[in-house]
Amino acid sequence: VQLVESGGGLVQPGGSLRLSCAASGFTFGTYWMSWVRQAPGKGLEWVANIKQDGSEKYYVDSVKGRFTISRDNAKNSLYLQMNSLRAEDTAVYYCARKGKGFDYWGQGTLVTVSS
Amino acid sequence: DIQMTQSPSTLSASVGDRVTITCRASQSIYSWLAWYQQKPGKAPKLLIYRASSLESGVPSRFSGSGYGTEFTLTISSLQPDDFATYYCQQYNDYLIYSFGQGTKLEIK
Repeated sequence: VQLVESGGGLVQPGGSLRLSCAASGFTFGTYWMSWVRQAPGKGLEWVANIKQDGSEKYYVDSVKGRFTISRDNAKNSLYLQMNSLRAEDTAVYYCARKGKGFDYWGQGTLVTVSS
Repeated sequence: DIQMTQSPSTLSASVGDRVTITCRASQSIYSWLAWYQQKPGKAPKLLIYRASSLESGVPSRFSGSGYGTEFTLTISSLQPDDFATYYCQQYNDYLIYSFGQGTKLEIK
């Protein structure tokens, strides 16, 4: 099982960024998937979930209306579209597979929101 | 939303010690609790799921217990590799998962 995030970088406040997570080694379309973030020196914060077929999506309150989680099962890929970014969104973003817990994680991609 | 509170925030211990970390939920989460270990610069690693089930490959010195609102993670005999930060996570509300604030386990 491997999860590889990409798409992080430096963005100005109010800007947008799209993160990707490439999955391999398992049947991607049969698992809920999530994004979890960690601000520098802080704890883990769950960000969003998406059901196997993409029909259900859930978000932490702080990102509702700004972030959109999506997936493409044909491409074994998970995405996070982040709009209206704020300084407090600065964090390492991890994708994670929801098995018996979050049993597999990617290495993370750093998003920095700063002018 | 369900709030998760861990204690202590920091724990100092020595190799060979038995240590316990507590996690409390703001409402019953039955057994829907997981524990993770995280080392600096690395992704978290699943240790325990469903409150007391040991993830494959995790040493047996790690154990979890609890039900409802109070849970514990115990390390029976600390090894040098165990010094890290530990997080609990509830997934009773399967729509919204939440983590505890973390417990940093330091070498005394």
